[in-house]
Amino acid sequence: GAVVSQHPSWVICKSGTSVKIECRSLDFQATTMFWYRQFPKQSLMLMATSNEGSKATYEQGVEKDKFLINHASLTLSTLTVTSAHPEDSSFYICSARDGYGANVLTFGAGSRLTVL
Amino acid sequence: RKEVEQDPGPFNVPEGATVAFNCTYSNSASQSFFWYRQDCRKEPKLLMSVYSSGNEDGRFTAQLNRASQYISLLIRDSKLSDSATYLCVVNRASGQNFVFGPGTRLSVLP
Repeated sequence: GAVVSQHPSWVICKSGTSVKIECRSLDFQATTMFWYRQFPKQSLMLMATSNEGSKATYEQGVEKDKFLINHASLTLSTLTVTSAHPEDSSFYICSARDGYGANVLTFGAGSRLTVL
Repeated sequence: RKEVEQDPGPFNVPEGATVAFNCTYSNSASQSFFWYRQDCRKEPKLLMSVYSSGNEDGRFTAQLNRASQYISLLIRDSKLSDSATYLCVVNRASGQNFVFGPGTRLSVLP
C-alpha cells in the first residue's frame, strides 16, 4: 500500500529558530499533499494544501509567511516553521492521497515539535 | 457551525459491548466519507470508507444518510485494542481537501 514518510519524528528547538519538516511519498507520486496540525486532545486541523510545482493553498487563519511550504517534486513536500515560538509547539502531520486511484488519505507518522 | 461534528465522548465500555458513534456534516455537496482511528500520539489510520448503501467490515459497520447528512460507525463485540479516538472524515466538494471531525474517544475496559 501507499507509504508516506515524515521526518523528523521529534524536534526540539529554541524560540526564534526555524524548523523544516519533510514529507515523502515512498512508492507513489503525490501531486498534492496536505499539512495538518494537531494540538493535544484536539482534532487535526488542515493548515494548507501543498501543490507540486505551484504555490500552496493555505487555510484561513494560517500565516503563509510563518509556515512555508515547498513542493518541488512529485514525492517531496516540506513545511518550514519560521521563527518558531512556544505556541507553535504541536503535532504536525502530512498526508497524501493514495497514488493508486483510491480516494483515501495516507498519513505520515507525524512530527512532534517542541519550541522552548 | 463546524463542518464536521461528532459525539463528544469519551465512551467507556466493557469488553464485548456494542458501541455506536455519530457524525454530522454541514456541506450537502460532500462526496466522500471515511472513518479513521487515531491512537494516542500516532497518526490517523484509515478504518473504513463509508458507502451510500452502508458497509460492513468484520465487527465494524458504517452507515451514511445523505438526506440527514449523518454518518455512523457501529462496533460490535468491542476489544481492548479498539480503544482509540475515532475520527469522522468528509471531503469538501470543491476540491481534494478532507475535513476531520473532532473525534470521539473510546476506551474499552476489561
